[in-house]
Amino acid sequence: GAVVSQHPSRVICKSGTSVKIECRSLDFQATTMFWYRQFPKQSLMLMATSNEGSKATYEQGVEKDKFLINHASLTLSTLTVTSAHPEDSSFYICSARDSRSSGANVLTFGAGSRLTVL
Amino acid sequence: AQSVAQPEDQVNVAEGNPLTVKCTYSVSGNPYLFWYVQYPNRGLQFLLKYITGDNLVKGSYGFEAEFNKSQTSFHLKKPSALVSDSALYFCAVRDKVGTGGFKTIFGAGTRLFVKA
Repeated sequence: GAVVSQHPSRVICKSGTSVKIECRSLDFQATTMFWYRQFPKQSLMLMATSNEGSKATYEQGVEKDKFLINHASLTLSTLTVTSAHPEDSSFYICSARDSRSSGANVLTFGAGSRLTVL
Repeated sequence: AQSVAQPEDQVNVAEGNPLTVKCTYSVSGNPYLFWYVQYPNRGLQFLLKYITGDNLVKGSYGFEAEFNKSQTSFHLKKPSALVSDSALYFCAVRDKVGTGGFKTIFGAGTRLFVKA
């Protein structure tokens, strides 16, 4: 089945630095990927929709300049948290759908990346 | 905009008993509804979906869900719970974006505890 790889799984950084998280679709092409943020004991909050070859679509309230998304190829999307601060500490999850398959409505998720900003 | 609600933060059930995790939805048009599960230290996994057709949808790990249009519900069920079913369950709905695009909106999640 479809597999999404997300890296790194854990990252600790100092306040003010930038962190890049990668999301790769391993066995399918993903024209669209989604980035979610999950707070402890809370639901997934959609941050943005990453579109291959074009600008990401951000949800209301998500800072575009802080959470940079790049979707340069059909198998890779990256989320860069710029000038990270402790309040950015969270669990970030990417997902993708295999648009060519009959399960195109179903999302395949990466394992998530836990960011801790000191 | 489409939305889903999961009224229970937590559901406790004894192993071997039937379980139900509730979900209600609010959509315009025909709903595309999903259930996902998040096991500890693992990524979310798709369980089942309702797009059209039979109201009773069967999914992975013995789970099923019933689409009820009159009650706008899509409750997740399993006839006999296992301890290994203990996890965080999310109901989700597909929401249209622009022309041809969509995004998936998740409910708040319900933590299921199955006691041996």
